[in-house]
Amino acid sequence: DGGITQSPKYLFRKEGQNVTLSCEQNLNHDAMYWYRQDPGQGLRLIYYSQIVNDFQKGDIAEGYSVSREKKESFPLTVTSAQKNPTAFYLCASSPDRGRITEAFFGQGTRLTVV
Amino acid sequence: GENVEQHPSTLSVQEGDSAVIKCTYSDSASNYFPWYKQELGKGPQLIIDIRSNVGEKKDQRIAVTLNKTAKHFSLHITETQPEDSAVYFCAASMRAGGTSYGKLTFGQGTILTVHP
Repeated sequence: DGGITQSPKYLFRKEGQNVTLSCEQNLNHDAMYWYRQDPGQGLRLIYYSQIVNDFQKGDIAEGYSVSREKKESFPLTVTSAQKNPTAFYLCASSPDRGRITEAFFGQGTRLTVV
Repeated sequence: GENVEQHPSTLSVQEGDSAVIKCTYSDSASNYFPWYKQELGKGPQLIIDIRSNVGEKKDQRIAVTLNKTAKHFSLHITETQPEDSAVYFCAASMRAGGTSYGKLTFGQGTILTVHP
């Protein structure tokens, strides 16, 4: 089955630690995105990538980092510089760089700082 | 940048009634408007979308209308069913200058509850 896989589903982090969230897609999509979801605030864009080895900051990139070494993978690292990392993180991909098309979402990772 | 406002934040209806969710956007250059449904603990799923060259689109019980002049668009669900209960998000997207990337800006979400 084609789709976007995020892992783990739940993640706990101690304050001061970096943590990496995984996102893999087998849809052969060019573009991939990371969003953060907080209650009552919708989805906010953290980083996005159109092609391998290239990515751009979104609206709330501070305290996060990404890499795009392979087309199918777009991991997100939440660093200790992120002051309020507890949130639901969603990865998405879209198929066509030539026109705006729908974004397909993964099932999300819920990160909690303990 | 683009700003999308969504109302209401919560909506409660009886089964069989209609539900309407409204969104406004700020950037007149936006040209793609999807609606997503998110069930508890899951990622959002696209339910319908509309492009700026169309005023209305229907898919069975779901319809979306777009008023480019007023910069607002709405989701209409008719004959609601309990399984329609979820969080609904609107979004607006435009092609970024010099790139092919369409940046989706989301509304704050509407919690729809359909009572049997």
